[in-house]
Amino acid sequence: EVQLVQSGAEVKKPGESLKISCKGSGYSFTSYWIGWVRQMPGKGLEWMGIIYPGDSDTRYSPSFQGQVTISADKSISTAYLQWSSLKASDTAMYYCVRRSSGWDKNWFDPWGQGTLVTVSS
Amino acid sequence: QSALTQPRSVSGSPGQSVTISCTGTSSDVGGYNYVSWYQQHPGKAPKLMIYDVSKRPSGVPDRFSGSKSGNTASLTISGLQAEDEADYYCCSYAGSYTFWVFGGGTKLTVL
Repeated sequence: EVQLVQSGAEVKKPGESLKISCKGSGYSFTSYWIGWVRQMPGKGLEWMGIIYPGDSDTRYSPSFQGQVTISADKSISTAYLQWSSLKASDTAMYYCVRRSSGWDKNWFDPWGQGTLVTVSS
Repeated sequence: QSALTQPRSVSGSPGQSVTISCTGTSSDVGGYNYVSWYQQHPGKAPKLMIYDVSKRPSGVPDRFSGSKSGNTASLTISGLQAEDEADYYCCSYAGSYTFWVFGGGTKLTVL
């Protein structure tokens, strides 16, 4: 079974750093893209960025470029989303998603269970 | 404001059909046949329901169908069932700068 399992909920203070993870299983981790999607409380979905673990090719939404860093460790089939200095506005649920490789593969399946990040002083 | 425009809510009675629209521009929905739809139940992760405008992944009931005309894509759910009550999001590829954009989501209520 193809699965993406994310790390647990986090509570942080403004200015702190954070790295959340997404572990893929049941498929060849290096042959698919892993993306991240933000959902702020009571709001819709926003695409943040994506990485191809096979060669670490990374693309960011213009809205999130410079705000977060996406990385991957293919040796442990895990992708990461990190912040160097959190803000209260980063409070949200974050989902990782899998995308097939190939220019014509433009859908996300499956989705991880989500990681809730709460930033509060 | 989301990149793609969806109605905030739609409703229908069991057995009826409902259609959810998703309006973009020629740079996203109108420019590519890469629209996908996701279902999200409260407190759950989204689930892929439609990809490439009208294709259904295995396991998705054929009551769910997708289409596109110009800059507007649509998701139609026929034979509404109680378990279809959820939020639905469209998503479109938008080129090699923006990549992918989502709609604001539509809450489907089964009366």
